[in-house]
Amino acid sequence: DQQVKQNSPSLSVQEGRISILNCDYTNSMFDYFLWYKKYPAEGPTFLISISSIKDKNEDGRFTVFLNKSAKHLSLHIVPSQPGDSAVYFCGSGSARQLTFGSGTQLTVLP
Amino acid sequence: SQTIHQWPATLVQPVGSPLSLECTVEGTSNPNLYWYRQAAGRGLQLLFYSVGIGQISSEVPQNLSASRPQDRQFILSSKKLLLSDSGFYLCALEVAYNSPLHFGNGTRLTVT
Repeated sequence: DQQVKQNSPSLSVQEGRISILNCDYTNSMFDYFLWYKKYPAEGPTFLISISSIKDKNEDGRFTVFLNKSAKHLSLHIVPSQPGDSAVYFCGSGSARQLTFGSGTQLTVLP
Repeated sequence: SQTIHQWPATLVQPVGSPLSLECTVEGTSNPNLYWYRQAAGRGLQLLFYSVGIGQISSEVPQNLSASRPQDRQFILSSKKLLLSDSGFYLCALEVAYNSPLHFGNGTRLTVT
C-alpha cells in the first residue's frame, strides 16, 4: 500500500522566485510519480511526471526531482508566476493504484 | 482532444436522499473511466473504475455504486446519502493505459 504525504498545506513565494513543493512516499515499489495542479472549481490538471529510472524530469519552468533513497519527490517552479497560484497534488502509481497527497496551496505574490 | 463533462457543479442533499452524478466524455472511444473523491483536507481517493460498458470495479466499500450504461457515460449513485459522503467528486479519463488521467471539473457535494 502506498501513502503519499505533502506536509506543507501552503506555501507563499514572491513572483520571479523559485517555488519548491515537496512530497514523501512510503512504498518504493511504485515507479511512477506525477504532479497535478488544481484551480478552484476545476478538476486537477496533469503537470509533469517522472518514472523511477530517472532522477529528474524537466518541462519548461517545471522540474520534478526524485530521490529514491529518501523516498522524496519535489517540484520546482522557476520563475514562479502569479498564474501558478493553485493547489498542487503529488501522486504515485498507475491510474488504478493512483494515490494522491492532500495537496499544497501555492500562492505566488506579485 | 478529449473533453469530460460533469454535472452538477455543486449539490446540496439531505441525509438519506438518493444521489446521481453523471459524467460523459467526448473525443475518445472505449476509454477507461474513474470516479475519485476528495474529502476535506485529504487526498484524492479512487472509488470506482470502468474499462468498458457494464464493467465496474470498486476500490472502497461504501454505500456508493457506479454504472456505465454507455461507452462514454459513467454514473455515480447512492440510494441513501450519509454525512460522510460529502466531498468533491471527480470523474477522470485514461486516454491510454498508464497515461496521466484527465479530470473533469468535479461536483462539490454537501450532505446536510
